[in-house]
Amino acid sequence: GENVEQHPSTLSVQEGDSAVIKCTYSDSASNYFPWYKQELGKRPQLIIDIRSNVGEKKDQRIAVTLNKTAKHFSLHITETQPEDSAVYFCAASKGGSQGNLIFGKGTKLSVKP
Amino acid sequence: KAGVTQTPRYLIKTRGQQVTLSCSPISGHRSVSWYQQTPGQGLQFLFEYFSETQRNKGNFPGRFSGRQFSNSRSEMNVSTLELGDSALYLCASSGAWGHLNEQFFGPGTRLTVL
Repeated sequence: GENVEQHPSTLSVQEGDSAVIKCTYSDSASNYFPWYKQELGKRPQLIIDIRSNVGEKKDQRIAVTLNKTAKHFSLHITETQPEDSAVYFCAASKGGSQGNLIFGKGTKLSVKP
Repeated sequence: KAGVTQTPRYLIKTRGQQVTLSCSPISGHRSVSWYQQTPGQGLQFLFEYFSETQRNKGNFPGRFSGRQFSNSRSEMNVSTLELGDSALYLCASSGAWGHLNEQFFGPGTRLTVL
């Protein structure tokens, strides 16, 4: 079955710096790749997603890139702010009737003011 | 639009008991998925229901079961609770037209097994 590896497990950056989190997946049939942000004690929130027919997607300070050949995708956060501090999860799905999400283990991002 | 809701938010049970958790999806969403979140194993997929039918199942023992009702509300049941079942149980709904894959999570039910 699908396996998603996520790196790094922890990431500490200074406010204003960029942060990059990387994930690799094993099943070439996966075609949907969301990213979730989970603050302490709260539910995971969908922050951005990308489908396999697109190589890059941007939403303000957040961008996601996908390399289907290498089977990896990355989350880029620019101009980080203290409120970006949270655990970020990547996930992969085959969509449709096999739409269950397989998650990476998460990255704890700390943004120091 | 109201988000995904889950009840109860917290539960304390003892080993051997059983528990039922409930999830109400976003209005119009027909798919409900359940996940277990623990510090050690992260977020793991339990099962997915769509139109009252289990469509996908993760790698959990048969003690974990679920169902979905005609109004898309879903319940999951864990029988013969073990200490290792202590976790945050999250449900997620999806199925909005044009956004079939996007899953939106509820606040979770924190289950503690003593």
